[in-house]
Amino acid sequence: GAVVSQHPSRVICKSGTSVKIECRSLDFQATTMFWYRQFPKQSLMLMATSNEGSKATYEQGVEKDKFLINHASLTLSTLTVTSAHPEDSSFYICSARVGQGAGYEQYFGPGTRLTVT
Amino acid sequence: RKEVEQDPGPFNVPEGATVAFNCTYSNSASQSFFWYRQDCRKEPKLLMSVYSSGNEDGRFTAQLNRASQYISLLIRDSKLSDSATYLCVVNTGFQKLVFGTGTRLLVSP
Repeated sequence: GAVVSQHPSRVICKSGTSVKIECRSLDFQATTMFWYRQFPKQSLMLMATSNEGSKATYEQGVEKDKFLINHASLTLSTLTVTSAHPEDSSFYICSARVGQGAGYEQYFGPGTRLTVT
Repeated sequence: RKEVEQDPGPFNVPEGATVAFNCTYSNSASQSFFWYRQDCRKEPKLLMSVYSSGNEDGRFTAQLNRASQYISLLIRDSKLSDSATYLCVVNTGFQKLVFGTGTRLLVSP
């Protein structure tokens, strides 16, 4: 399958600081990438859809000014958690879409575990 | 009602057993369906897509019943390495995947 990388894999930051997470498609170009968040023992929840060269589309309840998404190239999308708080501690996973229409598949990055102290 | 529902388990089975998971979805317009596998503290990995005609990949068989809006995954000859959480995933037609909470499988020696 397609390879998606994420960096960093783990980050600990202090409350009030900002953290940037990078998501890269390594062997393909991804016009669309997705950012998810997963709390312990819960399912993945879509935060936003990131389209190359345009503004991200955020899901209901996700603050776009807090979770800044930039998809500047066909292989890189970034998520910046601004003014992080302990409740933002979670597992953040990006994925990239391969294919078009109803038959597409999504491949996931290895995730970034964020801990805000 | 949740868009995608799964029995959380855990399903505890011995090696070599056959185990089946079901998943129901609420949106009848859903277009495509997948099973993902997620190991503890790791990202989900695509196990298989689910086609209307059913499909098999080695020890894994997936079935789709559109009339009843459920999807199944059958694992034959379970291995210890099959222990994981299995996520039922549905493309609801809005180009977004909706994930179930997962079914946890524990295969014991």
